[in-house]
Amino acid sequence: SQQGEEDPQALSIQEGENATMNCSYKTSINNLQWYRQNSGRGLVHLILIRSNEREKHSGRLRVTLDTSKKSSSLLITASRAADTASYFCATVANQAGTALIFGKGTTLSVSS
Amino acid sequence: NAGVTQTPKFQVLKTGQSMTLQCAQDMNHEYMSWYRQDPGMGLRLIHYSVGAGITDQGEVPNGYNVSRSTTEDFPLRLLSAAPSQTSVYFCASSYLRSSGANVLTFGAGSRLTVL
Repeated sequence: SQQGEEDPQALSIQEGENATMNCSYKTSINNLQWYRQNSGRGLVHLILIRSNEREKHSGRLRVTLDTSKKSSSLLITASRAADTASYFCATVANQAGTALIFGKGTTLSVSS
Repeated sequence: NAGVTQTPKFQVLKTGQSMTLQCAQDMNHEYMSWYRQDPGMGLRLIHYSVGAGITDQGEVPNGYNVSRSTTEDFPLRLLSAAPSQTSVYFCASSYLRSSGANVLTFGAGSRLTVL
């Protein structure tokens, strides 16, 4: 079964607004990653947050992690039409961390 | 660098036919994995490999075979295709960083239709 579950499944906003998507996972993790997928393309790594971190920033991206609630959130500030994509969280598939499993993703649509 | 290269990009099969999806990486990554992506299901792990000669099953391995004879290549074989295997397949490669993080680099995907 999939480790991460994103919420909401779909999100539509206007340019300039902030977009927040959430991820819940089931087991203990060393780190959690977020990936982005443009339509018809492969996934691209966005950001990684370690289990001992509570918040991490990268440009317009802000990721939080709450290990007590087994949840993470990805915030995209000042969204642009180019942010339109699907976003996935990923956690380790095994104890060795040699493979990842993904949630079902949040599809973000940013209109201008 | 080419990164992760998947071939073919598109393929149509008839039920019962066999085929191999090719995946090659030129980054000398230890780890490689195969995923399938279906609408509303996200990505599901099929098989993965931690090095040449070593493979393991993921979440949905049934109907698929893999082997890893070299570091660079990780082909995915469908021995007898079924309509349920209609999907988009993604190959990814990675290495375990000193921090313990395993960040994936994905190929562009192979879209398979089984009639």
